[in-house]
Amino acid sequence: DGGITQSPKYLFRKEGQNVTLSCEQNLNHDAMYWYRQDPGQGLRLIYYSQIVNDFQKGDIAEGYSVSREKKESFPLTVTSAQKNPTAFYLCASSSRGEGRYNEQFFGPGTRLTVL
Amino acid sequence: EDKVVQSPLSLVVHEGDTVTLNCSYEVTNFRSLLWYKQEKKAPTFLFMLTSSGIEKKSGRLSSILDKKELSSILNITATQTGDSAIYLCAAVGSNYKLTFGKGTLLTVNP
Repeated sequence: DGGITQSPKYLFRKEGQNVTLSCEQNLNHDAMYWYRQDPGQGLRLIYYSQIVNDFQKGDIAEGYSVSREKKESFPLTVTSAQKNPTAFYLCASSSRGEGRYNEQFFGPGTRLTVL
Repeated sequence: EDKVVQSPLSLVVHEGDTVTLNCSYEVTNFRSLLWYKQEKKAPTFLFMLTSSGIEKKSGRLSSILDKKELSSILNITATQTGDSAIYLCAAVGSNYKLTFGKGTLLTVNP
């Protein structure tokens, strides 16, 4: 089955620790995205990558880092510099090319709680 | 700064009612507008709109884009309890980046 997987589903972290969220897709999509969702805030873009070995900051990149060494994988690290990391994190991917580029497919999400 | 505003933020209706959800956008180099439904976890894709005035339809759901007014509406007719969800609107702009609205929480009571 083709799709996007995120792990873990739930993650608890102590303040001051870095943590990495996994995102893998087998849809052969070039572009991948990380969003953060807080109650009443909709989805906000953290980082995105249109191609392997390249990525750009989104609207709220501070305190986060990413890598894109493989087409299938786009891990997100939440660093201790992120002041309010408790949130629901969604990964998405899409094809490139006019028209197809726009539809993003989402993973099931990771709920991160900082204790 | 790109911006998408959805209204209302929440809505409670009874089964069988018809609802209209609104989305307005201000996005540089606008390419398209997307609607998603989010029930518990991952948003699922509903519609992509690129041309003004052309209605897209899927069962009881339909949507239309008005590029002159920089807005879109999502209609749901004969609502069912299974339609209860958050409906997200997103505008695609420069670099194919999506800007999402805050969503409309729709609750359909039996």
